[in-house]
Amino acid sequence: GQQVMQIPQYQHVQEGEDFTTYCNSSTTLSNIQWYKQRPGGHPVFLIQLVKSGEVKKQKRLTFQFGEAKKNSSLHITATQTTDVGTYFCAGSEYGNKLVFGAGTILRVKS
Amino acid sequence: SAVISQKPSRDICQRGTSLTIQCQVDSQVTMMFWYRQQPGQSLTLIATANQGSEATYESGFVIDKFPISRPNLTFSTLTVSNMSPEDSSIYLCSVLPYSSGRYSTEEQFFGPGTRLTVL
Repeated sequence: GQQVMQIPQYQHVQEGEDFTTYCNSSTTLSNIQWYKQRPGGHPVFLIQLVKSGEVKKQKRLTFQFGEAKKNSSLHITATQTTDVGTYFCAGSEYGNKLVFGAGTILRVKS
Repeated sequence: SAVISQKPSRDICQRGTSLTIQCQVDSQVTMMFWYRQQPGQSLTLIATANQGSEATYESGFVIDKFPISRPNLTFSTLTVSNMSPEDSSIYLCSVLPYSSGRYSTEEQFFGPGTRLTVL
């Protein structure tokens, strides 16, 4: 079945440093979504990517979808303490069923 | 958007008992899902709750263990039956809302979750 791998598992950065998490699917995706889960909270939708090679930006966050629609990345520029949490990618082959990656835990040292 | 509430928010249960978790949405939604998130782990889809018909279960999850009801477009329940310590987890419902005259195919909105501990 469809599998979504995500690395790294953990990332500790100094405040102001950049952060990147990578997501790779075993199958071609129709779309990929990114969610953020704060400690003790529930996942909150960040963005959806649909097109091959798509790049979207939200302030300091940059999301990319690979040309083959099998991989994606989330890059945060100049991290802040408010960026702390777990970032999940979630891929969909078809329909609305999402398969979540394992998540990357981001810790920011001030 | 959609505002989702879950009850209970947390519970501690004895082995062999059952717990029913409720998910209530403030608007009609097309699709509702139930996920499990074990401590420090990712989200695993248990099933899609279908209004007026039997839920669609993912591999590894069966109706006898996780019966689901969805009597209308705003409400669903998940029962964790004959619990064991391995069922200790956070259970989350999520929805795809109906918005702006069409059903969203994008973001899923998640409820706050139910933290279950089985002793």
